[in-house]
Amino acid sequence: GAVVSQHPSWVICKSGTSVKIECRSLDFQATTMFWYRQFPKQSLMLMATSNEGSKATYEQGVEKDKFLINHASLTLSTLTVTSAHPEDSSFYICSARFMQGSYEQYFGPGTRLTVT
Amino acid sequence: QKEVEQNSGPLSVPEGAIASLNCTYSDRGSQSFFWYRQYSGKSPELIMFIYSNGDKEDGRFTAQLNKASQYVSLLIRDSQPSDSATYLCALRGPLSGRRALTFGSGTRLQVQP
Repeated sequence: GAVVSQHPSWVICKSGTSVKIECRSLDFQATTMFWYRQFPKQSLMLMATSNEGSKATYEQGVEKDKFLINHASLTLSTLTVTSAHPEDSSFYICSARFMQGSYEQYFGPGTRLTVT
Repeated sequence: QKEVEQNSGPLSVPEGAIASLNCTYSDRGSQSFFWYRQYSGKSPELIMFIYSNGDKEDGRFTAQLNKASQYVSLLIRDSQPSDSATYLCALRGPLSGRRALTFGSGTRLQVQP
């Protein structure tokens, strides 16, 4: 299957600081990537759809000014959590999708963010 | 009605048995169906996908799709304790365009040694 990487795998930051998470598709080009958040024992929650070369589309209830998404190339999307607060502590997972065939999505390994 | 419904479980089966995981969906126009496995604390991993009615086998896994009844299932033969995880059903809708797959909330499977 296709490989998607994420960096960092975990990060601890202080309240009020910003954190950038990178998502890369390593062996295929992804014009569309997705960002999810998952709290312990809960379902995946789609935050936004990241389209290469255009603005991200955010799901209802997700603050676009707080969660900045940039998809500058066909293999890289970044999520920046700005002015992080303890309630932003979560598991953030990116996903990249083939744009042909069956459109399956491949997930990165996730980034565990802890805001103190 | 949720777009993708799964029983949250846990579904408990003994080692060596067949585990049967089911998923129903509401939109008849859905085109492709996917099964993901997610271990605790890890991200989802694609197991297999299916888009035609019938069965599709891959090793110990068999996906079954019945579009008329709007359900898709995953059978795991010779279940192992290492299969214990949450299994997510997902689909691509008819007008998905660049939209993400629609995921169910998952079924937790426990394989008892």
